[in-house]
Amino acid sequence: DAGVTQSPTHLIKTRGQQVTLRCSPKSGHDTVSWYQQALGQGPQFIFQYYEEEERQRGNFPDRFSGHQFPNYSSELNVNALLLGDSALYLCASSYQGVANYGYTFGSGTRLTVV
Amino acid sequence: AQSVTQLGSHVSVSEGALVLLRCNYSSSVPPYLFWYVQYPNQGLQLLLKYTTGATLVKGINGFEAEFKKSETSFHLTKPSAHMSDAAEYFCAVNRGNQFYFGTGTSLTVIP
Repeated sequence: DAGVTQSPTHLIKTRGQQVTLRCSPKSGHDTVSWYQQALGQGPQFIFQYYEEEERQRGNFPDRFSGHQFPNYSSELNVNALLLGDSALYLCASSYQGVANYGYTFGSGTRLTVV
Repeated sequence: AQSVTQLGSHVSVSEGALVLLRCNYSSSVPPYLFWYVQYPNQGLQLLLKYTTGATLVKGINGFEAEFKKSETSFHLTKPSAHMSDAAEYFCAVNRGNQFYFGTGTSLTVIP
């Protein structure tokens, strides 16, 4: 049973560019959350998608946007990249976002902005 | 506001010694509490969680944690450290469909 799959694993972008990260949730999960983990820090909540809509959002600017598809997979888009956007981006899937049912994290996408 | 404080960004123990990683939370009501482990270049793996019920929670790889409401703490322990325990450990609170993570504790195990 595959867990959470994220792609790509690494990428390098230039400041000002746009990037799209992808996430396929664990089988049976319908909710996807995205987290940003800067070097040496704990993950910070970006947003959560459920039923193809953004259900909750953390303290991130509008440059960060997302999408959820009917098969529950999700994309994270970041526009006008800044050097400070360099981080590990983690996707977590769950069933209806209920913590007690368990969240599964992917291995992340390492984004470097130069 | 939810927050989690992990005391000690770096902890070193000898192989076979007790592991104690500290976590305190701030919350107006008892939260769901979690410990995650992160190995280099990997995502987060759940060690254990407290939601309701027994306050002493046992997890994978011999780890356990005790929820102490009076102290607002959820410290992680393991009686005997193994070399494979070397990793980054995160304490987290879950409320309102999101996790609030601490800044992490890097555990080094000395042979």
